[in-house]
This record gives sequence, C-alpha cells and structure tokens, in this order.
Amino acid sequence: AQKVTQAQTEISVVEKEDVTLDCVYETRDTTYYLFWYKQPPSGELVFLIRRNSFDEQNEISGRYSWNFQKSTSSFNFTITASQVVDSAVYFCALSELPGTGGGADGLTFGKGTHLIIQP
Amino acid sequence: AAGVIQSPRHLIKEKRETATLKCYPIPRHDTVYWYQQGPGQDPQFLISFYEKMQSDKGSIPDRFSAQQFSDYHSELNMSSLELGDSALYFCASSSSFGSVLSEQFFGPGTRLTVL
Repeated sequence: AQKVTQAQTEISVVEKEDVTLDCVYETRDTTYYLFWYKQPPSGELVFLIRRNSFDEQNEISGRYSWNFQKSTSSFNFTITASQVVDSAVYFCALSELPGTGGGADGLTFGKGTHLIIQP
Repeated sequence: AAGVIQSPRHLIKEKRETATLKCYPIPRHDTVYWYQQGPGQDPQFLISFYEKMQSDKGSIPDRFSAQQFSDYHSELNMSSLELGDSALYFCASSSSFGSVLSEQFFGPGTRLTVL
C-alpha cells in the first residue's frame, strides 16, 4: 500500500522568509510518480510539479524548488522569499504506474500543509 | 487552453436524495478520475476510467456509481445521500498518449451540500 505523510499540519511565516514543506512517502513499487499541488482558499487544485522515481535531479522554478531523495523517501518543497499569495494548502501526492491495460491509478494525497504567509 | 469542466459547481440536496455530477475532460484526454474532499481533508480517490472502462477503484461507497461515455465525459451518480457525503468533488483528466503517465488536470470541483 502506498502512503504519503506531510507531518507539518500548519506553517506560519512572515513574508520574504524561506519555507520548506516536508513530504515523506511509502510505496512498494520501484517506479512511481510524485506530485505537489496547491489549493488556495478558492478551492481549486493547482498542479505544481511531477517527478518520476528515476529522476532524482532537483528542480527549480522561479521561487519554487523541489528536493527529491529516494534514500530517505522524501520529496520536499521549498518556497524562497515567500509572498502572501503563496498562502494555501499544499498537498504532496503519489501515483504508481498503471498496469499493462493502460489508464492510471488514482493519486494518494498527504493530509496537506496549510501555509500561512503573514505580511 | 481548455480545462476540465464540472457541472454543477454547487449542489444542495436533502438526505436520501440522489445526485449526478458531470465531468467533461480536456479534449483528447482519455482518462477521468473522481476524488472526494471532505472539509479540512485531503482529496480521496474514488474511481477512474480509461477509454470508457473502469481503470482503478478507491474508496467509493456502494451507493455511488460512475461511468465514462463515448465522448469521454463522465458522470458520478450518488444515491441515498447522507450528511457525510457533503464534500468537494473533483474530477481530473489525463492523457495516456505519449508519456507513460501524464499529470492529472483537475476541474474546479462540485461542492455538494447534503441537508
């Protein structure tokens, strides 16, 4: 069975601080995908990144960066110079590869981290 | 760019009534997923369809059923509604063409309130 753990329920920082959201996952598969989604107060789920299990290269996109470490089963997300608009719930999610019949398995989400950026 | 369309966006029902939620995937996407997100909870996977066939099944109650039609839109049917069914229901779509697993694009959600 697969599991995603986001131990930080809520984080509150002051604007312009850097903040890291932790994500630890469990899966028996050797091939899997990891995701981060953002859910602002308006409720929609916004895709941020997808990473497959064979690609441990860290990624940077503007103020966002992700650190994937298979050795510790972690996929952490860092926001540099946080802004008030970053305030949202952030979900880490895991998906295993589909079977040979095609299609895809549903995502397993962590409980989410509520990030509050104070002005 | 076209996104996933869900209708209705808001729905209010009484206990024991039925509800039907609709999802229109992004054009040329062949896979549809349904998720349920209770208040303050993470999204829970319910069911998915690939090329109109059920692909994967999660924690979908027996009172719920779903299908994908020939035009790839999907409907989630919910019967004998309970107060605990009040939640945000997301539909997502993806394409199996090309990459082994493309990202799931989520719709805006349908907020169901059961009174």
